[in-house]
Amino acid sequence: EAEVAQSPRYKITEKSQAVAFWCDPISGHATLYWYRQILGQGPELLVQFQDESVVDDSQLPKDRFSAERLKGVDSTLKIQPAELGDSAMYLCASSFGRSNYEQYFGPGTRLTVT
Amino acid sequence: AQSVTQLGSHVSVSEGALVLLRCNYSSSVPPYLFWYVQYPNQGLQLLLKYTSAATLVKGINGFEAEFKKSETSFHLTKPSAHMSDAAEYFCAVSEKNAGNMLTFGGGTRLMVKP
Repeated sequence: EAEVAQSPRYKITEKSQAVAFWCDPISGHATLYWYRQILGQGPELLVQFQDESVVDDSQLPKDRFSAERLKGVDSTLKIQPAELGDSAMYLCASSFGRSNYEQYFGPGTRLTVT
Repeated sequence: AQSVTQLGSHVSVSEGALVLLRCNYSSSVPPYLFWYVQYPNQGLQLLLKYTSAATLVKGINGFEAEFKKSETSFHLTKPSAHMSDAAEYFCAVSEKNAGNMLTFGGGTRLMVKP
């Protein structure tokens, strides 16, 4: 069964350092999502891509976060510089399209900033 | 704007007992509604979804949920809890024609006692 892949699964970094997360969606899925899940809370959408274009990044802290999906397939989320408050699970999801299609989630990257 | 409230951040039941997890939503238009399950250090898995067809929705692992428009609720139930049901459960809402964007509730941790 096809799955969304994410790496690394765990990342520990010091504050002020740069960190990057990678996501490979299910083949053929045009829509890709990055969520942040703080411990004990529900996921919050950071950015949504349709193919290689950003369709929503209203909740992305653009002063330190960036996301790209250059060829419309895999995607990278970057934080620079990392802050203590960025410690969270970062989840990637993909769906076939943007109209009532199920979102399939990857296993996530757990980030700890020290 | 849409929002989701899950009453009870922790619910404990005995094995074999009824599971009831509560979800209330607010949305300016008829929504799509979802329940997801998350096991420790894993991504989210879709349990079931309501997309304006039958108001009683059956999902995987014996779970079901009923959409009640008058109560703006979408509670999740299972007649008999199993130890393997212990996990975090998230209710989510998506507005039609809103680009498949999910808004999650804060989650309910289900504990099952032997």
